[in-house]
Amino acid sequence: QKEVEQNSGPLSVPEGAIASLNCTYSDRVSQSFFWYRQYSGKSPELIMSIYSNGDKEDGRFTAQLNKASQYVSLLIRDSQPSDSATYLCAVTNLRDSNYQLIWGAGTKLIIKP
Amino acid sequence: NAGVMQNPRHLVRRRGQEARLRCSPMKGHSHVYWYRQLPEEGLKFMVYLQKENIIDESGMPKERFSAEFPKEGPSILRIQQVVRGDSAAYFCASSPPRGLVYGYTFGSGTRLTVV
Repeated sequence: QKEVEQNSGPLSVPEGAIASLNCTYSDRVSQSFFWYRQYSGKSPELIMSIYSNGDKEDGRFTAQLNKASQYVSLLIRDSQPSDSATYLCAVTNLRDSNYQLIWGAGTKLIIKP
Repeated sequence: NAGVMQNPRHLVRRRGQEARLRCSPMKGHSHVYWYRQLPEEGLKFMVYLQKENIIDESGMPKERFSAEFPKEGPSILRIQQVVRGDSAAYFCASSPPRGLVYGYTFGSGTRLTVV
């Protein structure tokens, strides 16, 4: 079992709809959870972080964390073509006294005009 | 406050040459991470360094690859005797101590092409 799993997609969503991206993780003691966006040919960019159960909203983005079920999701409301990118889920685990960021393989999101 | 600076942005090397990739972390950041990304693939962790120390190099190939983060100056990822399979985007990220609690910031990357 991979430590952080995402559906590779592509996930195709019509413009204006809600895009829902999901991520599951295996380590129950994971502490911090992040969503990064990566445009083709560019570096990953941090767009959301979440640390406790529940929802966290920032503009059109909402991150949801459920530690009991070990999943974290990202909702993008009113999807725009500019949201088309690969979305990477990352989880911080403590290993051998050092924090490490464990990455999912990413979900490719395509917003269709 | 400049972000994570990587140079060069693009690097072309012939097979058998050496490639040196440089990364200057954000001001106040003492932890550096190197990742490799092949076209259409995910990020692959290579090495985690603190000033003058390699903390985790579990993702770095044992042969030809080395990394350092000296007390002064940028972190360097060095690839000796490059082969075509080394062609990839190499990203550096940095964080402050315990900064992984808050995620980290990536540089723009170096695109290495081996011809």
